[in-house]
Amino acid sequence: AQKITQTQPGMFVQEKEAVTLDCTYDTSDQSYGLFWYKQPSSGEMIFLIYQGSYDEQNATEGRYSLNFQKARKSANLVISASQLGDSAMYFCAMREGSSNDYKLSFGAGTTVTVRA
Amino acid sequence: ETGVTQTPRHLVMGMTNKKSLKCEQHLGHNAMYWYKQSAKKPLELMFVYSLEERVENNSVPSRFSPECPNSSHLFLHLHTLQPEDSALYLCASSPSGGSSYNEQFFGPGTRLTVL
Repeated sequence: AQKITQTQPGMFVQEKEAVTLDCTYDTSDQSYGLFWYKQPSSGEMIFLIYQGSYDEQNATEGRYSLNFQKARKSANLVISASQLGDSAMYFCAMREGSSNDYKLSFGAGTTVTVRA
Repeated sequence: ETGVTQTPRHLVMGMTNKKSLKCEQHLGHNAMYWYKQSAKKPLELMFVYSLEERVENNSVPSRFSPECPNSSHLFLHLHTLQPEDSALYLCASSPSGGSSYNEQFFGPGTRLTVL
């Protein structure tokens, strides 16, 4: 079964507007971590933001915020005040809490195109 | 400047060639990873090394052979590849340990084309 689901293959957003990227996850672990990465056309995966399953507050990093709804198992990324440089592919990922499990499970990604 | 470097950045090879991808991390991490990213598919974890020992191998074909001589270097040796192996190969590193906070730092990737 897919552990991470990103249902939006592509999105367009106007410069300076906010955009929400959806991510739902599936795990039976109580301890887990959720990550968002950005992948520009150059190929490198850039870490954006992290949310732990026990964190009571939604994570924020600059213009990035994570809307964490634990009961719904969703971890949507909100990018505020979009910039042209935000055009990229965005991946949601999860690491489950088993101490021997180093694996990050990735979603299929969402392509964001920011329009001037 | 990324703490994880990969060489070469681009590679074109024939099905009978033997080549190697190299990854180096300067972050003092103890775990390193190889991922394969094919078009329109999620990233696939291929290999994980922790403290230079392989801890996970997700049923990768034997034509891919990893090597981790020390905690800073990771290689992926390629031989008799198939055209469907064409993809972006990403290396990552992270601190080892059991915390679920295990941010992985990625390199820029090697774009491989198999003819």
